[in-house]
Amino acid sequence: DTGVSQNPRHKITKRGQNVTFRCDPISEHNRLYWYRQTLGQGPEFLTYFQNEAQLEKSRLLSDRFSAERPKGSFSTLEIQRTEQGDSAMYLCASSSSGVTQYFGPGTRLTVL
Amino acid sequence: AQSVTQPDIHITVSEGASLELRCNYSYGATPYLFWYVQSPGQGLQLLLKYFSGDTLVQGIKGFEAEFKRSQSSFNLRKPSVHWSDAAEYVCAVGAGTGNQFYFGTGTSLTVIP
Repeated sequence: DTGVSQNPRHKITKRGQNVTFRCDPISEHNRLYWYRQTLGQGPEFLTYFQNEAQLEKSRLLSDRFSAERPKGSFSTLEIQRTEQGDSAMYLCASSSSGVTQYFGPGTRLTVL
Repeated sequence: AQSVTQPDIHITVSEGASLELRCNYSYGATPYLFWYVQSPGQGLQLLLKYFSGDTLVQGIKGFEAEFKRSQSSFNLRKPSVHWSDAAEYVCAVGAGTGNQFYFGTGTSLTVIP
């Protein structure tokens, strides 16, 4: 059990650019979740996958956001045409039981 | 709708003193409840969880929490705080078909010598 890993850990980009983050869950965890955390707030749910199927998306996930989990293992979260309001910590979590979630260290995005 | 409230944004305690962090939730069914700790540059580390059964649950690092259904609360406690406990503590409830988490805004703990 090597834990959930996320890359990159930090990303600085200019407004209007596209960015992609990667999450590698704990091996054999079939559920994978994405959350966003802004300064002074708790994490907010974005979306989750069971295996390769994306089963739910929050209203926070605008059409500029897309997430994939092509083979039911790692997942990517892409943000197109970034805006300053997208600056946040993006957290990934995985779960085998569908109950307890184990979190990665997060990717901190700064949009200039 | 599900929600989690942590009334205390920031708490300062002296090393060796006892600690209680408050968490109140709103959820229609029996919730899954969690406490996580978040240190700078680190992700969320699970401290403890409650699913059912004994309402007093023990976690790592000497923490415990008590589920009180009548008060919709799940407060975190530690009898004697150590300087290394300084961190952000976040309460969460698992809900929905995918058991996605709803988090409180967190309580920042400062420990003074």
